[in-house]
Amino acid sequence: DAGVIQSPRHEVTEMGQEVTLRCKPISGHNSLFWYRQTMMRGLELLIYFNNNVPIDDSGMPEDRFSAKMPNASFSTLKIQPSEPRDSAVYFCASSLTLAGFDTQYFGPGTRLTVL
Amino acid sequence: KNEVEQSPQNLTAQEGEFITINCSYSVGISALHWLQQHPGGGIVSLFMLSSGKKKHGRLIATINIQEKHSSLHITASHPRDSAVYICAGGGGADGLTFGKGTHLIIQP
Repeated sequence: DAGVIQSPRHEVTEMGQEVTLRCKPISGHNSLFWYRQTMMRGLELLIYFNNNVPIDDSGMPEDRFSAKMPNASFSTLKIQPSEPRDSAVYFCASSLTLAGFDTQYFGPGTRLTVL
Repeated sequence: KNEVEQSPQNLTAQEGEFITINCSYSVGISALHWLQQHPGGGIVSLFMLSSGKKKHGRLIATINIQEKHSSLHITASHPRDSAVYICAGGGGADGLTFGKGTHLIIQP
């Protein structure tokens, strides 16, 4: 199994530009999570899906952030317009089920730099 | 809101030493995850436990549900164990709430 795949691995953009991060979960996993990691705040949950349906997006910082999961094998996290404070590493993770008892498998992350 | 607190924040030890990292969590968290993040940034799930103890190689994780406390132990530590160790709480139909991580350095 290839594990969770994220693209791009690195993204550098200018303030105001739209940024789209992509994630392919492990096949057969029903739950997908988007996390953000910064030096100041550590790891934070942004949003998670179960069976392609968003369950809780209360961690999404602002309306500039949006996430979709059009099918079981693909999700996107979009930032429009981007700001320098959005610079962080964004991780996608998937698990078999949604329950807190389930192991999550993390992708390699996308390092976003907004100039 | 779920909360997870980890200690120590930083830990430097000599090769071969026994390492303990502690994690306390709030009511509402029913499963505790231990994650490892290497300098390259990748995150690996080490353990997920809701009771008792789990062991994998030189790593041991324990949880005390009554005290809402979990520990991660590393026996015979080695420089390659140097990483950030993160505990995270999960409960019900929820994502994970993360501790701030323990930066572990094992010196040869």
